[in-house]
Amino acid sequence: KAGVTQTPRYLIKTRGQQVTLSCSPISGHRSVSWYQQTPGQGLQFLFEYFSETQRNKGNFPGRFSGRQFSNSRSEMNVSTLELGDSALYLCASSSFLPDEQYFGPGTRLTVT
Amino acid sequence: SQQGEEDPQALSIQEGENATMNCSYKTSINNLQWYRQNSGRGLVHLILIRSNEREKHSGRLRVTLDTSKKSSSLLITASRAADTASYFCATDGGNTGKLIFGQGTTLQVKP
Repeated sequence: KAGVTQTPRYLIKTRGQQVTLSCSPISGHRSVSWYQQTPGQGLQFLFEYFSETQRNKGNFPGRFSGRQFSNSRSEMNVSTLELGDSALYLCASSSFLPDEQYFGPGTRLTVT
Repeated sequence: SQQGEEDPQALSIQEGENATMNCSYKTSINNLQWYRQNSGRGLVHLILIRSNEREKHSGRLRVTLDTSKKSSSLLITASRAADTASYFCATDGGNTGKLIFGQGTTLQVKP
């Protein structure tokens, strides 16, 4: 079974721009969660999607949004990028409940 | 704030020694998990222990859970250089449907 894939792996953007990150879960997994990892704040939960619906949401501003498609693939979008958005963005999938999660390699976003 | 807090923040040991890291959390949980992360890459699931379990083993890993103290420990026995990584505990925060991670313990195993 192929693992969780994330594209792109690395991204450099300028402050004020927007960015879209993509995540393809393990085949058959319907839950996709997104996390932001920074040295200062650690791993923080962004949101979770299940069957195309946002099921849970973390404490991030509205600039962070996401969606899930019928094939369970998910995208997250960050608008009006700020320097503090520089982070490793991790996507994880699980079969139903976000119990044991399988993580992708992450997208390293740098905002200059 | 993070649900889990881990102790120590950093640990350096020699190959062959045992490594113990601890995690404390704040609210009730259904389960607690441990993950490993190598050098800023994706996380790898190590073990899940449910709230009604006290101890669980997987290979060289041993996890304990004390719900009365809201704490867990991860023991890696006979460590290897390849165990060098950051280790995170994560709780489900009850029925929140999301994982809440601790700040992690950075383990260095010297050959």
